[in-house]
Amino acid sequence: AQSVAQPEDQVNVAEGNPLTVKCTYSVSGNPYLFWYVQYPNRGLQFLLKYITGDNLVKGSYGFEAEFNKSQTSFHLKKPSALVSDSALYFCAVRDNDQKVTFGTGTKLQVIP
Amino acid sequence: DARVTQTPRHKVTEMGQEVTMRCQPILGHNTVFWYRQTMMQGLELLAYFRNRAPLDDSGMPKDRFSAEMPDATLATLKIQPSEPRDSAVYFCASSGGQETQYFGPGTRLLVL
Repeated sequence: AQSVAQPEDQVNVAEGNPLTVKCTYSVSGNPYLFWYVQYPNRGLQFLLKYITGDNLVKGSYGFEAEFNKSQTSFHLKKPSALVSDSALYFCAVRDNDQKVTFGTGTKLQVIP
Repeated sequence: DARVTQTPRHKVTEMGQEVTMRCQPILGHNTVFWYRQTMMQGLELLAYFRNRAPLDDSGMPKDRFSAEMPDATLATLKIQPSEPRDSAVYFCASSGGQETQYFGPGTRLLVL
């Protein structure tokens, strides 16, 4: 069975500093990996995905994620954090039947 | 701007009452998901459909929950009878052929 782990419940970063939100996965076959963001009282919004190709995936709002097959990781990154990036971030993995498993979420707090 | 819609946005009901939540997926999307989100359990997949046929409802309590797609533009999630532990935010999401899921704004349910 596939799984996703987000080891940090919360990440704090100062505005303007780079941020990293960690994610590791387990899946049989080729991984389909996603990052979603959830702002308060809203549904999840798609940020980016890795299907195949370049290991560095660029997404919305200046976010990017690095796929590392040997470490089975898909960490979310941004070079310079904004206060408006404060939200809940979910990593997800999809299996061949299009069933998606979400991680437990990481709360990102960007401090002014 | 195509989006998933959900009704009602908020529902307060008493224990034992029937609750029906509705979802209109994005036109042309063939896969519909129902999720439940709580502080304690995080985001849980309840059920999902492809081309209106249920593919997996293993995450759903069978004795009181039911999910259907009467047609391609409507998905419903029913709870009968409702219990206080069902209090949560219920999200519907849809996807087409690109794997990305698009989430609705959610139905916030409170069972007293």
